[in-house]
Amino acid sequence: SQQGEEDPQALSIQEGENATMNCSYKTSINNLQWYRQNSGRGLVHLILIRSNEREKHSGRLRVTLDTSKKSSSLLITASRAADTASYFCAYNTGANSKLTFGKGITLSVRP
Amino acid sequence: SAVISQKPSRDICQRGTSLTIQCQVDSQVTMMFWYRQQPGQSLTLIATANQGSEATYESGFVIDKFPISRPNLTFSTLTVSNMSPEDSSIYLCSVGEGRDTQYFGPGTRLTVL
Repeated sequence: SQQGEEDPQALSIQEGENATMNCSYKTSINNLQWYRQNSGRGLVHLILIRSNEREKHSGRLRVTLDTSKKSSSLLITASRAADTASYFCAYNTGANSKLTFGKGITLSVRP
Repeated sequence: SAVISQKPSRDICQRGTSLTIQCQVDSQVTMMFWYRQQPGQSLTLIATANQGSEATYESGFVIDKFPISRPNLTFSTLTVSNMSPEDSSIYLCSVGEGRDTQYFGPGTRLTVL
């Protein structure tokens, strides 16, 4: 399967702590994206990092990409209870617009 | 970013029946996609909805089971035909331009009894 793999599958932290989620993939990619899904609702796009970028920031989010290791990490700093959700990485291989999604990580932030 | 709506937001259906899900975008977009998310699982691409031509289906999905229409650049429908309980999932449409960000609708939660 070409599906991405995230780890850990589930993460539980205290409010205020940082949360780090990892994603690995198996093919060459054009870009990698992270999405959040609250309680089985629609996906919210968080951040996109291109294959020629190594790090990107957006507010409390920091994404890194290591194409040599075929891996990416999403760091959420100073977590809040509202960050409780499922997080998915998804990547585009460049052949077309299709995205391949990872299995997802469930993040719980305890107040 | 595009604003996407889906109808219905949820439905409970009897096995053997069909349900058509609508996806409406507030602007013209080139690419529209349909995904399925089975309970507790990740998203799997069903097909790319092509305007003016037949949809492009991914491996494991066929037109007879998931017919798709895309009459213009802002609207698409996905029909789940002859449903069984295994079709119980969230169905999501998304839109994108080029190889960049895809934006997702709120999803349709389908339960088949």
